[in-house]
Amino acid sequence: GAVVSQHPSRVICKSGTSVKIECRSLDFQATTMFWYRQFPKQSLMLMATSNEGSKATYEQGVEKDKFLINHASLTLSTLTVTSAHPEDSSFYICSAREEGLALDSYEQYFGPGTRLTVT
Amino acid sequence: QKEVEQNSGPLSVPEGAIASLNCTYSDRGSQSFFWYRQYSGKSPELIMFIYSNGDKEDGRFTAQLNKASQYVSLLIRDSQPSDSATYLCAVRVGGTSGTYKYIFGTGTRLKVLA
Repeated sequence: GAVVSQHPSRVICKSGTSVKIECRSLDFQATTMFWYRQFPKQSLMLMATSNEGSKATYEQGVEKDKFLINHASLTLSTLTVTSAHPEDSSFYICSAREEGLALDSYEQYFGPGTRLTVT
Repeated sequence: QKEVEQNSGPLSVPEGAIASLNCTYSDRGSQSFFWYRQYSGKSPELIMFIYSNGDKEDGRFTAQLNKASQYVSLLIRDSQPSDSATYLCAVRVGGTSGTYKYIFGTGTRLKVLA
């Protein structure tokens, strides 16, 4: 099956610093990747949709200058949390859709997530 | 009004019983519906997806969709303690590839009692 990896799996950083999270589709090409954030005991909240070769589409309320997304290739998307603050501490999860599938065979593959703690 | 609603639970069922999880959605134009299972500290894993009205069965799992009532459910037969997790309902909204997105419900926590 399709595999999506994320790196790092866990990161602790100091307030004011920036953190980059990588999302890779290992055995398929993904034109579209999604970035989610999940706070404890809450559901996944879509932050942005990342499209290869174009600007990301951010959800309402998500600061695009704070959460920088780069989808440089068909297998890699990165999320950079700039000037991180303790309230940015969360579980960040990416997902990718394999291109070329028929609609009725569609699914998105989730990465294992990155636990960010800002101190 | 939330776009995808679920009862947060916890829903407790005895081992071997049927667990019934429910989800309602607000966008009448939604076409694709998904059930994910998420263990604590892990990312979601897909259990089933359904596009057409009616039932879809896969092993111990059955998804039911009623578009007129904007309702989708998941039945888990012969529930096992390993089924204890949070179950997320997701709805795909939008159109063609590149313009769609997924909206998740808050999840229902299921506890299967041994």
